Amino acid sequence: SYVLTQPPSVSVAPGQTARITCGGNNFGTKSGHWYQQKPGQAPVLVVYDDSDRPSEIPDRFSGSNSGNTATLTISRVEAGDEADYYCQVWDTTSDHPVLFGGGTRLTVL
Amino acid sequence: QVQLQESVPGLLKPSETLSLTCSVSGGSVINSYWSWIRQPPGKGLEWIGYIYYSGYTKYNPSLKSRVTISVDTSKNQFSLRLNSVTAADTAVYYCAHIPQFGYYFDYWGQGTLVTVSS
Repeated sequence: SYVLTQPPSVSVAPGQTARITCGGNNFGTKSGHWYQQKPGQAPVLVVYDDSDRPSEIPDRFSGSNSGNTATLTISRVEAGDEADYYCQVWDTTSDHPVLFGGGTRLTVL
Repeated sequence: QVQLQESVPGLLKPSETLSLTCSVSGGSVINSYWSWIRQPPGKGLEWIGYIYYSGYTKYNPSLKSRVTISVDTSKNQFSLRLNSVTAADTAVYYCAHIPQFGYYFDYWGQGTLVTVSS
């Protein structure tokens, strides 16, 4: 079955750029989506269809997808960006169409 | 803007049936897909299944034998039933909206903790 692999943790200093990856076989042929989850809160969609952003999400959040890896990039990281981030894909041909990555904890140093 | 609110199920004992309802406001269940997702304490997200307003469903194969998702258009809500629960079903359960022509979850409920314990 299809598996999405994320690094368990990423650390970055304020003002720097954080990159969180999500690996999967031929990920580039699928659309990747990203969610931010702060402690005790529901996930929030931050990037969809690889690189689109909901209107309320700052443009510091961006996404890309190529080859076997999708990447969420957070520019000019702020303390408030500290959270867990999950990638997700939807394979319409699969018996298990919706998959989430294991999540990455972003720590702002 | 769509808002989702899960019901509060209380504490369950092993072998009981989990029943949750998601009430939809700010929009209609008609012409949309709706989903249930859960998150065990300290762990990641797990997709449970989705339903179209017409009643078409798709479930996670690992839960398929125990899960039923239904929709009530007259009450503008959809529901989750999970049979024969065990401690492994202890999790925060979220309901979520899938946008038209989208393959992601754009609106989420706040989540409700379901605890299974004897």
